[in-house]
Amino acid sequence: EEQVVESGGGLIQPGGSLRLSCAASGFSVSVNYMTWVRQAPGKGLEWVSLITSSGSTYYADSVKGRFTVSRDISKNTLYLQMNSLRAEDTAVYYCARLGASGGQGTLVTVSS
Amino acid sequence: EVVLTQSPDFQSVTPKEKVTITCRASQSIASSLHWYQQKPDQSPKLLIKYASQSISGVPSRFSGSGSGTDFTLTINSLEAEDAAAYYCHQSSSLPYTFGQGTKLEIK
Repeated sequence: EEQVVESGGGLIQPGGSLRLSCAASGFSVSVNYMTWVRQAPGKGLEWVSLITSSGSTYYADSVKGRFTVSRDISKNTLYLQMNSLRAEDTAVYYCARLGASGGQGTLVTVSS
Repeated sequence: EVVLTQSPDFQSVTPKEKVTITCRASQSIASSLHWYQQKPDQSPKLLIKYASQSISGVPSRFSGSGSGTDFTLTINSLEAEDAAAYYCHQSSSLPYTFGQGTKLEIK
């Protein structure tokens, strides 16, 4: 059974950094397009980033230059390194294989 | 950027009714359109992928259709458990985008 489990969220001050993890099972992150999506409190879904099977990376304009997506094939895990965090980055972050449901998400709260 | 516009934003429906939610893209996205359901305090769940492909475990009352710029999610014989927000999502061109969501309330 395919599954992803996000972790690494928490409370962080503006300007700080955080790294989210997405542990996958039942499929390989190396041969799939993997995405990060977020949802601010009470708002809709927002696409954040994509890493393709070939390793190309893409970002929403709102996070470009601050967030970096990567993967560790040996651990079958996806990461999202988030730097220079802002209050507007506060959201639940979900990872998902393209064409599949994500996990339960991890909450990131950026506040002083 | 491809803008996805869903209609309606909100709908109040009775059980056993047939519901149709539409998603219109600002440019052609072929069939790269997916539908998600999000119940309160839960994570989004994929209902339909690539416009009309069914997902294992999703009830057969959910179906999708369309291509190009106009897409439809149909729920036949609505059940009380279908109260949720529904989102369309395109993966045709970057940046990927979502519709604003449709909230379904069960009377």
